[in-house]
Amino acid sequence: DTEVTQTPKHLVMGMTNKKSLKCEQHMGHRAMYWYKQKAKKPPELMFVYSYEKLSINESVPSRFSPECPNSSLLNLHLHALQPEDSALYLCASSQSGTGWETQYFGPGTRLLVL
Amino acid sequence: DAKTTQPPSMDCAEGRAANLPCNHSTISGNEYVYWYRQIHSQGPQYIIHGLKNNETNEMASLIITEDRKSSTLILPHATLRDTAVYYCIVNSGNTPLVFGKGTRLSVIA
Repeated sequence: DTEVTQTPKHLVMGMTNKKSLKCEQHMGHRAMYWYKQKAKKPPELMFVYSYEKLSINESVPSRFSPECPNSSLLNLHLHALQPEDSALYLCASSQSGTGWETQYFGPGTRLLVL
Repeated sequence: DAKTTQPPSMDCAEGRAANLPCNHSTISGNEYVYWYRQIHSQGPQYIIHGLKNNETNEMASLIITEDRKSSTLILPHATLRDTAVYYCIVNSGNTPLVFGKGTRLSVIA
């Protein structure tokens, strides 16, 4: 099983809402990632978890709050987002918790903030 | 990590080989060349990676020049399903992947 799943596929939320994105993998990978991708732009790294600990936060605003409950799950909690946060949010995982080799990506959650 | 330069777009006839170039003139000795692609509205997909030697898998071939300053991804028989944005990334394995703008490949029937 080389699949990374993400739910929901689409999400519409208001600026006062609280919502969460979920990512799951069962490949035994120890590193998991969140990326943000605006239309016609490349993916931009947001967070990296290695062995369930946050190892990289790319200066992401606090209205985005990641959580890694266990090695297979990664959540992204959203609160008080702005319309400019509308984007495709991609989750990825990789085997090694210390390196950055081949990453497997999920299909993404397309978020619209109204 | 070293930066890469790719043409913004390319066309390829269906059934022909697609050759996607990438320049990485400042690559370091411990940095690998990775290729990913992203089909519209999907997550990026790993294709292949290499250090010095040419590599081949079921999806593509990677040709790296002897001085390692450039590489070419070859899709031997392009199909319409290969239409995507192709990203060339150099990475040592110690820092996160950084995606550049990539090449938008259009396979034409």
